[in-house]
Amino acid sequence: QSVLTQPPSVSGAPGQRVTISCTGSSSNIGAGHDVHWYQQLPGTAPKVLIYGHTNRPSGVSDRFSGSKSGTSASLAITGLQAGDEAHYYCQSYDSSLSTYAIFGGGTKLTVL
Amino acid sequence: EVQLVESGGGLVQRGGSLRLSCTAFGFRLSTYSMNWVRQAPGKGLEWVSYIGADFRTMYYADSVRGRFTISRDKDSLYLQMNSLRDEDTAMYFCVRDDGAEGFDPWGQGTLVTVSS
Repeated sequence: QSVLTQPPSVSGAPGQRVTISCTGSSSNIGAGHDVHWYQQLPGTAPKVLIYGHTNRPSGVSDRFSGSKSGTSASLAITGLQAGDEAHYYCQSYDSSLSTYAIFGGGTKLTVL
Repeated sequence: EVQLVESGGGLVQRGGSLRLSCTAFGFRLSTYSMNWVRQAPGKGLEWVSYIGADFRTMYYADSVRGRFTISRDKDSLYLQMNSLRDEDTAMYFCVRDDGAEGFDPWGQGTLVTVSS
């Protein structure tokens, strides 16, 4: 079980909007630790999509956006495209664990 | 172009050892904190280990602590893996720690397969 909980899968039709949740606790997201989101296309290494809850690296489409509220974070994707079909992972840090970084279990996005 | 390239993966027997290496291109690796992240076949991402830019601060996941050792020199990052178990079978990614900007970039990964 991951410390950060994501839905295993989400789906949407081309052009639609989908959201992926990342639920943590008071020792990670709720403690104010940064949340980052990564996109992993089939057969490739992950790449950062959103950093620091809401920021997009240069080159990332503005169709992707991040938000945070309390002990949860969300990734929203608007105007779904076939090329968005991938696995998405949230990542943060935890004050209570003897580790450094934590990942969510990942969410598979299917574009119908 | 900023790039990380891992090497050293392969097939190893249960209980055996392996040393992974990572080389940076396009930036000075010695000035960044670095991580190893792994992904078992068909599974999600698991953070494995961190080493600070000070060369001294290190952290490990509970699943590898006492068996894996992270290290670095001026030009490369390493992961010494001992007492390997079946569950260590995974693609191992070398990842730069950009602090508030997340983990970026990622290497292409090197595959470690532990076999009995």
